[in-house]
Parts: sequence; C-alpha cells; structure tokens
Amino acid sequence: EPEVTQTPSHQVTQMGQEVILRCVPISNHLYFYWYRQILGQKVEFLVSFYNNEISEKSEIFDDQFSVERPDGSNFTLKIRSTKLEDSAMYFCASSKTGQGTPSTDEQFFGPGTRLTVL
Amino acid sequence: AQTVTQSQPEMSVQEAETVTLSCTYDTSENNYYLFWYKQPPSRQMILVIRQEAYKQQNATENRFSVNFQKAAKSFSLKISDSQLGDTAMYFCAFMSLNNNDMRFGAGTRLTVKP
Repeated sequence: EPEVTQTPSHQVTQMGQEVILRCVPISNHLYFYWYRQILGQKVEFLVSFYNNEISEKSEIFDDQFSVERPDGSNFTLKIRSTKLEDSAMYFCASSKTGQGTPSTDEQFFGPGTRLTVL
Repeated sequence: AQTVTQSQPEMSVQEAETVTLSCTYDTSENNYYLFWYKQPPSRQMILVIRQEAYKQQNATENRFSVNFQKAAKSFSLKISDSQLGDTAMYFCAFMSLNNNDMRFGAGTRLTVKP
C-alpha cells in the first residue's frame, strides 16, 4: 500500500542553522501539507501546497519557513534560521484532492521528522 | 510499526443525532495514548479527546466519548447531540509512550445536516 515517507527521522541542528525536511507524498496525490507537533499533544497546521504554490498557511508559517516541490516526488520544508522553539515533530501529509471533496480528501500522514534545535 | 486505520472516509448525521466514527490501530506496544482530532476548514487540529491505554475507563469530554477496546485495538469516537459546528474532518491518532512517535489515520469527513 502506498505511503508517505519522510526523511530524516531525526534531525539535530544548532540554533540559527538552516534545515530541510523532506517528504515523499503518495505518487498520485496533488495536495501536500506540513504540520508540527510541539512536545505533548498539540498538533499545528503549517501550510498546504497545491499546483506548485502555497494554498493556505497558518500564522506560524512566517518568513523563516518555505516549502518547495523541487522535483516530481519530493516535497520539502525549509526552516532558514532555526530557533529553539522550532524543536518539534514535523509531519507531512498528502491527499488526492483538496478539502471538501468527499472520499478523496483524506490526508495520509508520514511518520514524521523529529527536529531538535540545540 | 504502528498503523492507524479509519475505514470511513465520510459520514453524515442529522443535527441532534448521535454518530460514531471508527478507528482501529495496530501496535505491539502496551503503553500509548490515543487521540481524536477535529480539523475544521481552518485546518487547525483541535484535540477533541485523549485516552491513555492503561486506563480501562473510556474517556469522555462533554458530548464526545470514546469506546476503547484495547484487546480489539479499536478506538471509536461517539458524538452525541451532533451540532452543525461538528462538521469537520476527524483524525484518529496513536502515540507511543516509548518514543513519542505519532501515527495518524487518514481521516473521516463528518457532515452534520440541519
């Protein structure tokens, strides 16, 4: 069964460094998402991406964040200058269609990348 | 690896009625949490309810309750007295207490009809 994959599983970086988190969505999916989970259970939406552009973003997704689909398979989240508070689990998800299209807007989540900023 | 399965991509319910969303999971671990998140059109993930696996008593939170069947690895969400504002995507999630790894189901889109 196809699944969303993410690399690396764990990334440790120094404050102020740039990190790129990688995701490979399910191949026939067109919508892509990033979420993060701060320590504990709070899960926050960051951004959604469709047709090579951001379709929605949250207040968290400020100028230090960017997303890109550099080729036909990868979907990346870049954090330009990491802060201590960026330490979190970052989840990528993909869906076949956008929100509101029954049965095909299910979001399939990857296993996450644990980012630790020191 | 843990997996979470939500077998109902979409469901609908009449306002004021009760609806149950299904979730099953697969794990060999004994210590974990289970969650239901609500995702309205704003995209924000709102924690609806949490269940600790070591607790036999089913968690309840106002109109929301779960039926946690540990042996069957089932974790369904019951919404009583459904309201129009309950219309959203609902995600079931599993979190290992061994390594804090989290797994999400694919979601169930619930529509509450007036």
